Amino acid sequence: GAGVSQTPSNKVTEKGKYVELRCDPISGHTALYWYRQSLGQGPEFLIYFQGTGAADDSGLPNDRFFAVRPEGSVSTLKIQRTERGDSAVYLCASSLGRGGADTQYFGPGTRLTVL
Amino acid sequence: GENVEQHPSTLSVQEGDSAVIKCTYSDSASNYFPWYKQELGKRPQLIIDIRSNVGEKKDQRIAVTLNKTAKHFSLHITETQPEDSAVYFCAARRNNDMRFGAGTRLTVKP
Repeated sequence: GAGVSQTPSNKVTEKGKYVELRCDPISGHTALYWYRQSLGQGPEFLIYFQGTGAADDSGLPNDRFFAVRPEGSVSTLKIQRTERGDSAVYLCASSLGRGGADTQYFGPGTRLTVL
Repeated sequence: GENVEQHPSTLSVQEGDSAVIKCTYSDSASNYFPWYKQELGKRPQLIIDIRSNVGEKKDQRIAVTLNKTAKHFSLHITETQPEDSAVYFCAARRNNDMRFGAGTRLTVKP
């Protein structure tokens, strides 16, 4: 079946603008994760959803970042008043949500560039 | 929270040699340790994982070992091939909170 998909694949925006990044998880996966990956670094945890609710948003860097998953499937990461430091690849992953050791599958990422 | 450290940051080996990448973690409650391979511009792909109730796991040329007491785990790749060249990330997870190491860039020279 289809894997995790993310749109757009690339997004270039200007400092101060608002952006939305979309993630479509694997069908049937109740857990969804957002990560941010800067060049030469490992993925940095941002937020985790179990179903529709954000079970852990401790990784969001500040209140300019927000994510929703209104129907427990597709998720949107929203960034307000973008800054140059927000430039990174934003990765989404999903898993069955059984907790413990279930495997996370990553999407291809959205490369965000803030000019 | 969990802190994962990974070494070395870069590793260059000759084709056919073995490669070893090591990670340490801080949270003794972490119970799942996956390894991901990421090629340039691609998504991270799971290559092997180990649960905390197991000390070693092997899949063809790839093996992972876990020492819970010392809180470290290692990836071993034998008979390396040029297509093994990539960045490898370890991770440690407690429940649904997964933290990654900074990555190791492995280069296998033909």
